[in-house]
Amino acid sequence: GAGVSQSPSNKVTEKGKDVELRCDPISGHTALYWYRQSLGQGLEFLIYFQGNSAPDKSGLPSDRFSAERTGGSVSTLTIQRTQQEDSAVYLCASSLTQSSYEQYFGPGTRLTVT
Amino acid sequence: AQSVTQLDSQVPVFEEAPVELRCNYSSSVSVYLFWYVQYPNQGLQLLLKYLSGSTLVESINGFEAEFNKSQTSFHLRKPSVHISDTAEYFCAVSGRGYNKLIFGAGTRLAVHP
Repeated sequence: GAGVSQSPSNKVTEKGKDVELRCDPISGHTALYWYRQSLGQGLEFLIYFQGNSAPDKSGLPSDRFSAERTGGSVSTLTIQRTQQEDSAVYLCASSLTQSSYEQYFGPGTRLTVT
Repeated sequence: AQSVTQLDSQVPVFEEAPVELRCNYSSSVSVYLFWYVQYPNQGLQLLLKYLSGSTLVESINGFEAEFNKSQTSFHLRKPSVHISDTAEYFCAVSGRGYNKLIFGAGTRLAVHP
């Protein structure tokens, strides 16, 4: 079946602009995660959704970052007023349920802030 | 709190040689342990996992890892590597009631002919 998909695959934006990154999880997966991969910080957890609720937002680095999930499926990560330190690969993962600890990752969105 | 330490940032090895990538973890709850692999310009793929049961787990492409609770380790091994194993390998930990994955810094495995 189809895996986790993310769009766009690459995004170049100017400092100060807002960006939206999209994640389509595996069909039927109720849990969805966002991570960030950068050279300086490695792989960092950002936020976790169970259904449309986000019980753990502890990894969001600032209030410029927000995320939502609708219909228990697609999720959007929004970064407002982008800064150069936001440049990274943003990874989305999903798992069947919140108790299924095996997470499946998408290919990521490479964000470059110029 | 949970944390993962991958002791080697880079491991160069010749083809057909054995390799061990080291991973140590710290956790206050029962752990679930994972190895993910990231091939160049690709996403993360689950290589193998320990959730419960046998402490020795294997992947379909010849890697194995052993959960050692007393040493808080989950080292990854392969008896004979191939050029195609060149990739970055990430160890990760999660736990009961703790959904997110905490990753190590990664180990870059470079297999040379």
